[in-house]
Amino acid sequence: QVQLQESGPGLVKPSETLSLTCTVSGDSIRNYFWSWIRQPPGKGLEWIGDIFISGHTNYKPSLKTRVTISGDTSKNQISLKLTSVTAADTAVYYCSRVHIAEFDTWGQGTLVTVSS
Amino acid sequence: EIVLTQSPGTLSLSPGERATLSCRASQSVSSSNLAWYQQKPGQAPRLVIYSASSRATGIPDRFSGSGSGTDFTLTISRLEPEDFAVYYCQHYGSSLWTFGQGTKVDIK
Repeated sequence: QVQLQESGPGLVKPSETLSLTCTVSGDSIRNYFWSWIRQPPGKGLEWIGDIFISGHTNYKPSLKTRVTISGDTSKNQISLKLTSVTAADTAVYYCSRVHIAEFDTWGQGTLVTVSS
Repeated sequence: EIVLTQSPGTLSLSPGERATLSCRASQSVSSSNLAWYQQKPGQAPRLVIYSASSRATGIPDRFSGSGSGTDFTLTISRLEPEDFAVYYCQHYGSSLWTFGQGTKVDIK
């Protein structure tokens, strides 16, 4: 049974870079697409981007200039970097596994607050 | 970009009642690329329905999905206490993933 666990700093200062890691257990990250999705407090879900380890990445157009998603097969991890953050980037960040056209497995999520 | 509009925003029902949730796409979409999620407070979303009408693993048969083109429906035939949650529809197409804004099903 695949499990996903997000980790990273819970507090990031404005203008700095948000960095999160998703550790995958029970499956190889080589086998699927993986996505990052976020949810501002009290609001809906927003897709950030996805990755297939062979070299494909795809980002939400409005975030594309600030987002990088990468993978580390030796650690079986997916990473997210979001630069120049503002308060609008405060959210719970989830990593998820893509199954064809839906997200079939989710991590528990990690809250990142952008504040000085 | 496809925009998904869910209605109603909130559905107030009693246990045992039938819930009907709507998801309307701004243009016609493939049913294969339409999914529904359930999210309870403090929890990650959980896949309920994929390909518009297929139940995900472990989802009870009181949940059903239907629709095509621009109009999709999630139906919960008889609400159980654990079904009160927020439900999101989601579409994938042209390398973009979009979510509806959610429908909250709460206890009347």
